[in-house]
Amino acid sequence: AQSVAQPEDQVNVAEGNPLTVKCTYSVSGNPYLFWYVQYPNRGLQFLLKYITGDNLVKGSYGFEAEFNKSQTSFHLKKPSALVSDSALYFCAVRVNTGGFKTIFGAGTRLFVKA
Amino acid sequence: SQTIHQWPATLVQPVGSPLSLECTVEGTSNPNLYWYRQAAGRGLQLLFYSIGIDQISSEVPQNLSASRPQDRQFILSSKKLLLSDSGFYLCAWSATSGALSYEQYFGPGTRLTVT
Repeated sequence: AQSVAQPEDQVNVAEGNPLTVKCTYSVSGNPYLFWYVQYPNRGLQFLLKYITGDNLVKGSYGFEAEFNKSQTSFHLKKPSALVSDSALYFCAVRVNTGGFKTIFGAGTRLFVKA
Repeated sequence: SQTIHQWPATLVQPVGSPLSLECTVEGTSNPNLYWYRQAAGRGLQLLFYSIGIDQISSEVPQNLSASRPQDRQFILSSKKLLLSDSGFYLCAWSATSGALSYEQYFGPGTRLTVT
């Protein structure tokens, strides 16, 4: 079955420190992978995607993610966290069923402490 | 640029009443459209997706239905709401070709409370 897992419900980091939000996936064929962010009572915002090419993908607000095929992972990273990065982060994978469905992880809540 | 609208922003409805949530997209044509429900501020459940007018796929059998009467309009409906229908409803679109043809763009959401 095709799936995406975010093993951490919550990640806590101090402002200025690097942050990592973990994501692993299971899909048949080449994965199309995404990260989205959600602020309270708002819709999700697209951050970045991996379709093909370089394993390190750069996105909005200084975020980047590294695609690792052997570990089937797509972890989200940022070198220096800001308090304003505190939000709910979703990893997602587009399933290769010939349609347009995307499976979202359960989400990881990031808290950045000043 | 593309914009997605949802309304209403919040809604409180009694059990057994009907529901109609509307979503419209501007600045693009022939988008793929999606309805999701998010419970308790966590994971997203795909309810319906549409690849064209009157072409709708249902992911979860329940008392909700969706319609796409126009290319950029997507409506979520129910004839009789249940308490379990409470949640945060999100509409999204994705392009069918070009550089934006993989990721989804979400509306601001509708907070539905069934009492």
